[in-house]
Amino acid sequence: LAKTTQPISMDSYEGQEVNITCSHNNIATNDYITWYQQFPSQGPRFIIQGYKTKVTNEVASLFIPADRKSSTLSLPRVSLSDTAVYYCLVGPHFGNEKLTFGTGTRLTIIP
Amino acid sequence: GAVVSQHPSRVICKSGTSVKIECRSLDFQATTMFWYRQFPKQSLMLMATSNEGSKATYEQGVEKDKFLINHASLTLSTLTVTSAHPEDSSFYICSASTGGAAGANVLTFGAGSRLTVL
Repeated sequence: LAKTTQPISMDSYEGQEVNITCSHNNIATNDYITWYQQFPSQGPRFIIQGYKTKVTNEVASLFIPADRKSSTLSLPRVSLSDTAVYYCLVGPHFGNEKLTFGTGTRLTIIP
Repeated sequence: GAVVSQHPSRVICKSGTSVKIECRSLDFQATTMFWYRQFPKQSLMLMATSNEGSKATYEQGVEKDKFLINHASLTLSTLTVTSAHPEDSSFYICSASTGGAAGANVLTFGAGSRLTVL
């Protein structure tokens, strides 16, 4: 399983765009990149998933360069409710492959 | 969307007793579920992979006799913490794989169960 490296913490003001980058230098050909959000005392929640280039949904965008050795989660115009821990997971995600979590990034939104 | 229900959300027990946590997939079948443990301010740690109709696969360092996992049906997996001690106090979270829009599976997590052992 590809190991991931993320910043431990980030702060941002409300209304700003926040970009969280994840490094995964040993990503394999059949690995996908998935981001999850976790609030205190809750289970993680799926945010976005991608394989290459750019993916966008109603809450975030995911940018993946051609070499796929990193990815960037972009949260547009954050609000206080976006304060959470964000995890980047890399793995085949096929069938029932187990996944391990890295440290995650603790994002704090400042009013 | 897919929903994983976990019960109880909170449990307090005395040292030496056993506690059972249930994890149900409400609108899909899950041949495999995963159990994680999370201590305060730390990341999720995978404990075991629960396989329907067969024995669970435990991660290194996780005592299988202490953390009993049963996956008797395609929608239910249970984690029993046997002879619980204060050091077992933690946040336990289950998850199951479901189909993702990008073509790969994603994990759907339960809300978690906070265990406090007195």
